[in-house]
This record gives sequence, structure tokens and C-alpha cells, in this order.
Amino acid sequence: DIQMTQSPSSLSASVGDRVNITCRASQSIDTYLSWYQQKAGKAPKVLICAASSLQSGVPARFSGSGSGTDFSLTISSLQPEDFATYYCLQSYSFPETFGQGTKVEIK
Amino acid sequence: QVQLVESGGGLVKPGGSLRLSCGGSGFTFSDYYMSWIRQAPGKGLEWLSYISSSGSTIYYTDSVKGRFTISRDNVKNSLFLQMNSLRADDTAVYFCARGQYSGSFYDYWGQGTLVTVSS
Repeated sequence: DIQMTQSPSSLSASVGDRVNITCRASQSIDTYLSWYQQKAGKAPKVLICAASSLQSGVPARFSGSGSGTDFSLTISSLQPEDFATYYCLQSYSFPETFGQGTKVEIK
Repeated sequence: QVQLVESGGGLVKPGGSLRLSCGGSGFTFSDYYMSWIRQAPGKGLEWLSYISSSGSTIYYTDSVKGRFTISRDNVKNSLFLQMNSLRADDTAVYFCARGQYSGSFYDYWGQGTLVTVSS
């Protein structure tokens, strides 16, 4: 199975900060990587697919990059509604696997 | 609009069984692959199982293989998860999610249904 190592597990940031979250795959997954945002008590919402393709309706302050084994999700200017937990997901091979999650908290 | 609605969760004793359902509406159900994903209380997301649009291809994660069975009824626009031999560590919110073949990601999720395994 492919392991996804996400870091950091949590971070504290202020509104307006630039935030970077990384995911590393245990083997190459090409660009079969998506990012999800989950708020407390809610279902996850897709932000990015194919490593860097922004989903319709997602603000442009979110961006994704990477290929192979190393990926990142960047929030260019953190907004109050962005405080949530973020997950990466590899869909290169089954079983699909999520990263452990990154909780973004208010500083 | 696209909607996925799970049902069937509840309290079950260890060793018991439960069948979850996920009804889809607002889209052509038979065009999409579907998956079940769960989240234990206070924990991260865990992918469980995949079923192709036709139902001909199925995958499971090891922790549920042999105990859980995914299926779908494209006439009734429904996805199912039969869960047998339930254990305390199966306690979680169970989500169904719609998969996009182009890009391989989940674009719509249900609201989740809570399964509690306890004596």
C-alpha cells in the first residue's frame, strides 16, 4: 500500500498568512493526488485534483503543486473561513490512502 | 443539484451486522464510481472501498476485506455497504462519495452516517 505522510499535523497561523502543507508519497503517484478541506462536523470538500487543478468555485488563494512523491497545498493569504483540517488523498493505486491531516488553527 | 444521502447507521453490538445505504440524486448515478470512506471520532479519514460505475470492479482496504461488502443498484441510484463481524474500532462516521474518472477524485460527499459498535 502507498503511505501518505502529511506535514505538519497542525499549525497556528494568522489571517493573511501564507500557509504551506506538504504530502509525501511512499512511492511515485504521478499526479494522482487531491486535496480536501474538512470543517468540524461536515463532509470533506475537494479543493484540488490532479495535484494542481483547482476545483470550480474554490478561491484562487488555494493552489497545489508537485508530482511523483512530493506535493504541496498552499493558501496564499489565509482567511477566517480557511481554518479547518486539510487532507491529501492518493488515487494512483488501490487501496487509496489519505494523509493524516493538517489542522489549521487561529494564532 | 447533486445529492448523496447516507442512511442505516446506528448502535450495534460487537460481532453484529449493519447495512448502510447511500442514495444519489441530481446526476446519472451509473456514470460514476463510488466509494465509502469513514472517520473515527477525532481521527482522520480512512478510505474503505471502491466500486466502479458498472459494479464490475471492486476494491477494499485490508482492515475491512472479508467483513464488508460494497454493492450498488444503478436502477435505484443506490450504493450499499454490508458490514459484518463489526468491531469496536469500526465505530465511525461513514461517508459515501462520488468519484470522477477524469482526475480520480471525489467531488461530492454525503453528510455521513454514524455507526457505533458497543456492547
